[in-house]
Amino acid sequence: EVQLVESGGGLVQPGRSMKLSCAASGFTFSNYGMAWVRQAPTKGLEWVATISYDGSSTYYRDSVKGRFTISRDNAKSTLYLQMNSLRSEDTATYYCTRRGILETGDYWGQGVMVTVSS
Amino acid sequence: DIQMTQSPSSMSVSLGDTVTITCRASQDVGIYVNWFQQKPGKSPRRMIYRATNLADGVPSRFSGSRSGSDYSLTISSLESEDVADYHCLQYDEYPNTFGAGTKLELK
Repeated sequence: EVQLVESGGGLVQPGRSMKLSCAASGFTFSNYGMAWVRQAPTKGLEWVATISYDGSSTYYRDSVKGRFTISRDNAKSTLYLQMNSLRSEDTATYYCTRRGILETGDYWGQGVMVTVSS
Repeated sequence: DIQMTQSPSSMSVSLGDTVTITCRASQDVGIYVNWFQQKPGKSPRRMIYRATNLADGVPSRFSGSRSGSDYSLTISSLESEDVADYHCLQYDEYPNTFGAGTKLELK
């Protein structure tokens, strides 16, 4: 059974950093790209970043470029999102999701809440 | 960036209705459109992939279609468990972009 389990969220002050993790199981992690998607309270879904299966390619939305870094450890089957210089507008539930070559979003984690506030 | 203009933003529905939600892509995204269902406090669930394909375990009353740059999700004979938010996503190009969402509410 495919499982994606996020961790690392919580309350953080503006300008500070936070690192999210997504532990994957039930599939060969190193065969799949992965992505982070977020959802601000009462808002729609927003794609944040994607990383290729081997970590060689990464893609970001403009509003997080230069502040967020997506990475992965295939030996640990874990996806990461390092978030620096956090802003109030980054407050959201962050989901990790699987990305195949022609597919995306077939599996999602349960989500982790990040609140940026002083 | 590719815009996915989703309509309607909300819809008041009755059980047994046929419901259609549409996303219009601002540029060609080919078949790379998915539809997701999301219930309050839950993660999104993929319902349709590559515009017209039913995801595993999704009831056959759900269907996806494409006409040019318009992508539609149709729910036939709406059941109570279908009342939820629905989102379209284009993943043909980066940044991937979602529609603004459609909220189904029972009359």
